[in-house]
Amino acid sequence: DSGVTQTPKHLITATGQRVTLRCSPRSGDLSVYWYQQSLDQGLQFLIQYYNGEERAKGNILERFSAQQFPDLHSELNLSSLELGDSALYFCASSLEGRSGNTIYFGEGSWLTVV
Amino acid sequence: AQSVTQLDSQVPVFEEAPVELRCNYSSSVSVYLFWYVQYPNQGLQLLLKYLSGSTLVESINGFEAEFNKSQTSFHLRKPSVHISDTAEYFCAVSDRSRNNDMRFGAGTRLTVKP
Repeated sequence: DSGVTQTPKHLITATGQRVTLRCSPRSGDLSVYWYQQSLDQGLQFLIQYYNGEERAKGNILERFSAQQFPDLHSELNLSSLELGDSALYFCASSLEGRSGNTIYFGEGSWLTVV
Repeated sequence: AQSVTQLDSQVPVFEEAPVELRCNYSSSVSVYLFWYVQYPNQGLQLLLKYLSGSTLVESINGFEAEFNKSQTSFHLRKPSVHISDTAEYFCAVSDRSRNNDMRFGAGTRLTVKP
């Protein structure tokens, strides 16, 4: 158990809909990351937050947004969903946001868009 | 930006045989290097990492990896594998001078056969 908690574990929704994935980082960790894992694109870095502020941005679509709240939990919002958005979405956390910090992953949220 | 290439998508091997999972990276700046392991239906777990110092790093379960700057490689090895080592292995790199937006390779599926 990494200490990173993600909900829901599984989610099925229709195209065009909007969903929110939730993440609680490990106790004491200030930085949160979101990754998308799919068969065709592998593990893609989406976005990083540190203590409520956006720190780095990767391959995140404009239809997707995220935020980190004052209690350090984070949410990833996915809107106007397409079939291709079906994937495993990981949240991860680290103590700080500096390069070299070990990143601890949650077990992921499986999103299926039908 | 940095990138990672894992040269083998699948590596089948018999139990107690040695194994090497290959990883090459590309970056214009100094990097940190990581190997993560993903067991079925679980999130990624850190196996080992290279930050500085000795170029040979070891994990607690018998894996080791060697940082080779001239060849820009960070291959993972184990002299004798077990059935329980069956998993997906990801090599990752992060830029030392930037935030922790770690970039992952496509993964290598190690299958250990009895």
